[in-house]
Amino acid sequence: KAGVTQTPRYLIKTRGQQVTLSCSPISGHRSVSWYQQTPGQGLQFLFEYFSETQRNKGNFPGRFSGRQFSNSRSEMNVSTLELGDSALYLCASSVTGQGAEKLFFGSGTQLSVL
Amino acid sequence: AQRVTQPEKLLSVFKGAPVELKCNYSYSGSPELFWYVQYSRQRLQLLLRHISRESIKGFTADLNKGETSFHLKKPFAQEEDSAMYYCALLLHGGSEKLVFGKGTKLTVNP
Repeated sequence: KAGVTQTPRYLIKTRGQQVTLSCSPISGHRSVSWYQQTPGQGLQFLFEYFSETQRNKGNFPGRFSGRQFSNSRSEMNVSTLELGDSALYLCASSVTGQGAEKLFFGSGTQLSVL
Repeated sequence: AQRVTQPEKLLSVFKGAPVELKCNYSYSGSPELFWYVQYSRQRLQLLLRHISRESIKGFTADLNKGETSFHLKKPFAQEEDSAMYYCALLLHGGSEKLVFGKGTKLTVNP
């Protein structure tokens, strides 16, 4: 079974630009969560999608958005990039996203904002 | 406020020594806690969860509600245990989400 796939692996953008990151979950997983990982703040929850609906959202500004498609693939978008958005963005999938279900993480997309 | 605290950013032990990675949480609901691990150049992965009361790779963790702690322990550390360890708390309500601690980097020296 293929793992969670995130593309691209690396991105370099400049301030003010926007970026779209992609995540393909494990086959059969319908819940996709996104996390931002930085050295200072650690892992912070961005949002979670299930069956194309956002079920939960973390404390990030509206510049951060996401969506999920009918095949469970998910994208997150960051508009008007700021230097502080430089981070590793991790996607995780699980079957239902409910309870103490095991999350499977992707390798992440390393975003650098210059 | 819901919070997970891992007081040690770095922890260094010698091979064969006992190791304990500390995790404290703050949560008004019924806590469900996890330990995730990230080995060098590998993905973040689940190590263990308290509801399973399991021992993985010799690691155990006991939920202590009185002390609001979920410390990870191993009696004899191995060099391959060197990794970044994250404690996580599951928040309920609507859909669940995980709140992570900032992690502890464990180095096991030969």
